[in-house]
Amino acid sequence: QLVDSGGGLVQPGGSLRLSCLASGFTFSSYGMHWVRQAPGKGLEVVSDISGDGSRIFYADSVKGRFTVSRDNSENTLYLQMNSLRTEDTALYYCVRSGGVYWGQGALVTVSS
Amino acid sequence: EIVMTQSPATLSVSPGERVTLSCRASQSVSSNLAWYQQKPGQVPRLLIYVTSTRATGIPARFSGSGSGTEFTLTISNLQSEDFAVYYCQQYNNWPWTFGQGTKVEIK
Repeated sequence: QLVDSGGGLVQPGGSLRLSCLASGFTFSSYGMHWVRQAPGKGLEVVSDISGDGSRIFYADSVKGRFTVSRDNSENTLYLQMNSLRTEDTALYYCVRSGGVYWGQGALVTVSS
Repeated sequence: EIVMTQSPATLSVSPGERVTLSCRASQSVSSNLAWYQQKPGQVPRLLIYVTSTRATGIPARFSGSGSGTEFTLTISNLQSEDFAVYYCQQYNNWPWTFGQGTKVEIK
């Protein structure tokens, strides 16, 4: 099970940190992704992190502003989002590698 | 970035029909192609991975085919619960990218 949290309303230029608490599997054995979906729009993979955290990738749209990390001792995935823009407004899902298991999503709204 | 293009954008079909959804990649993604189903207000659900392998619990009426740049998802004997938006996704090259989706609606 994956439980996303940390969403909310933030002004442009602000910051927010999302969390994803994993349970029911060996968290450190799996890569994890953050996937977002703007209201009424399609899906975009934002970041990817390997099981041990040694390999990280970002979409160009968030590179330099978002930071993905994980704490395998706490079975938790994080997404630190800085310099937020209105176009970052979306439902953010954490996804286990393989695409089968998704969190319920955390809604991030960037608006003044 | 590999661009995934799905067609058509919308399909209007009747229950019991067979439908074919198309997905084209701007460059080869080998067989690293997945299909997802998303219903309103729900999380996407993995249907197919590696082009043609059904995920656990996915009915046999869903089938995938293709390779390289051209892929299809076929749903035979469409059921009422199959009306949804379908996305293809390539995971051959980072950034992994999704198509814009095909909505299958009731005719």
